[in-house]
Formats: sequence, structure tokens, C-alpha cells
Amino acid sequence: QLQLAESGGGVVQPGRSLRLSCVASGFIFSASGMHWVRQAPGKGLEWVSFISFDESSKFYSDSVKGRFTISRDSSKNTLYLEMTSLRAEDTAMYFCARDGPHWDIDWWGQGTLVTVSS
Amino acid sequence: QSALTQPASVSGSPGQSITISCTGPVSDIINYNYVSWYQHHPGKAPKLIIYEVNNRPSGVPNRFSGSKSGNTASLTISGLQAEDEADYYCSSKGSSITRVFGGGTKVTVL
Repeated sequence: QLQLAESGGGVVQPGRSLRLSCVASGFIFSASGMHWVRQAPGKGLEWVSFISFDESSKFYSDSVKGRFTISRDSSKNTLYLEMTSLRAEDTAMYFCARDGPHWDIDWWGQGTLVTVSS
Repeated sequence: QSALTQPASVSGSPGQSITISCTGPVSDIINYNYVSWYQHHPGKAPKLIIYEVNNRPSGVPNRFSGSKSGNTASLTISGLQAEDEADYYCSSKGSSITRVFGGGTKVTVL
């Protein structure tokens, strides 16, 4: 059974950093591109970042570019999102998700909540 | 502000059909057949229900169908059921490998 389990969320002050993790199981993680998608309270889904299966390509939304870094450790089947210079508007549920073969996102985790507040 | 525009809410009675529209800029919708739809029950993981405009992944009921005309994609739920009450999002390929999402539509089963 495919599973994506996010962790690392919590309450953090503005300007501080946080690292999210996502452990994958049930599929060949090393062969899959991966995304982070977030959902602010009461808002819709917002694509955040993508990393290719071999880490050769990384992309970010304009809202996080220069502050967030996506990475992966395929030996641990784990995806990461390093978030720095956090702002109140980064408050959201962060979902880890697998890139599908049809320009879709075909499997999602249940998310980890990040709250940026003083 | 989302690049793709969806109605905020749609409602219907059990057994009825409803359609959710997703309108985007020409560059996002009309040039690609890479429109996908996701069902999200709050507190749970979002679920892919339509890919490439009108294809259903294995296990998704055939009461869910997708289409596209011009720069508008649509999701139709036929024979609405109580468990279909959820938020629905359209998505399309953005520039390069990025993705864009619609603002989401809350479906209420009356």
C-alpha cells in the first residue's frame, strides 16, 4: 500500500526555520518525482515545489523561491522541505505528493501543519 | 489569486448531476490536455479522480467524468452520493514542471 507520511510541522516564530520530512513506502521512491503542496487555512491548494527523481531538477513557486529548499534522500525514502525566513503567510497544511505519469499528482500524504506566529 | 477559476460552491440532491467548471488563461488550459481533478475531504489526503482531462484512475467510480472545451475544463458528477460531499480542485501543467491549481469548489449534497 502506497503511503506518504509527513512530519516536522509545528508552531514557529516569523523569521525562523523549520524542516519538514516525508517518508515514502509502497513504491519505488528513487524512481519518482515528488512535490510539496500547501493549503492555507480556509484557502485552496497551492503548489510549492518539485524535485525530480534524481535531484537534477528542482522548481519552486515564486512565493517561496529563495527561502525554501527541497531535497531528498533516496536511501531513506525521505523527501524534505527546508523552510527559512518563515512568514505568517506560510502558515498552512503542507502535503507531500508523488508526481504522476500524466502531468498529475497521483498520491498524497495527509499533511503536516505549519503555523508561523509570534 | 489562483490561475485557474472555479466556482466557490456547487450543490445538488442525491442522484442528481452537477458540473464544476475550471477556467484558465489560454496558456494554461487550451494548449494542454494535462488537466487533472482532485477530491479532498478535509482532514484527509487529497485524491486524484481525473487525469488528462477525462481519464479516471483505477478505482474511481465512473460517475466522475471530465471534459474540456476551449479554455474551460469541467468535472461532472453523475448520480450524486452523500460521500461525494468534499472540496474539488482542478489543476493544470504550469510553466516547465510546475503545477497550477484552481481555487477549489465545495460540493454540498443536499
